[in-house]
Amino acid sequence: DAEITQSPRHKITETGRQVTLACHQTWNHNNMFWYRQDLGHGLRLIHYSYGVQDTNKGEVSDGYSVSRSNTEDLPLTLESAASSQTSVYFCASSDGARTGELFFGEGSRLTVL
Amino acid sequence: AQTVTQSQPEMSVQEAETVTLSCTYDTSESDYYLFWYKQPPSRQMILVIRQEAYKQQNATENRFSVNFQKAAKSFSLKISDSQLGDAAMYFCAYRRGTGTASKLTFGTGTRLQVTL
Repeated sequence: DAEITQSPRHKITETGRQVTLACHQTWNHNNMFWYRQDLGHGLRLIHYSYGVQDTNKGEVSDGYSVSRSNTEDLPLTLESAASSQTSVYFCASSDGARTGELFFGEGSRLTVL
Repeated sequence: AQTVTQSQPEMSVQEAETVTLSCTYDTSESDYYLFWYKQPPSRQMILVIRQEAYKQQNATENRFSVNFQKAAKSFSLKISDSQLGDAAMYFCAYRRGTGTASKLTFGTGTRLQVTL
């Protein structure tokens, strides 16, 4: 079965370190997204991609970057982790069809000390 | 920019009863989609129901139905015959209908408790 997987599921890091969260999907979807979930804010869009070599900033992109070198993967990098980036991160994908349903990974909980 | 508002941070319902979760949204678009996602304690995001703005008929999926009021920009979720497994965080979400912009805008969520 097609799926979308995130790794690691849990990570603790220190302020200032670089962190990369992996996202891999086997749906062969063109569209991929990264959201962060925080209490009182719901899910907020960080970055998204509509295909290989395409990346776009979402509403909370400061301090994050992504790259899309193939269809399956969209890694999210925190260049210099900050305590404000402690959150649960979700990767999602869609096929770009009109209905636009997103398929989500299981989330990665990141703690920045 | 589109915004989605869920004004009920928490709701509680007794098993077998009916509960309605509220959602309002703001948009100048006429073509869009609305969604309700469920997030149980496992954190997995699960699509519950979807409504296309151009359809006047309210969407239903088994025990889940929506009350879509386009003029009022309201999109509430009704859960009938509530079950313990319905306990979760519920998110309302909006998506523009045109182009490839399938990114969703989410509300802040409503945590639903189901009691015996």
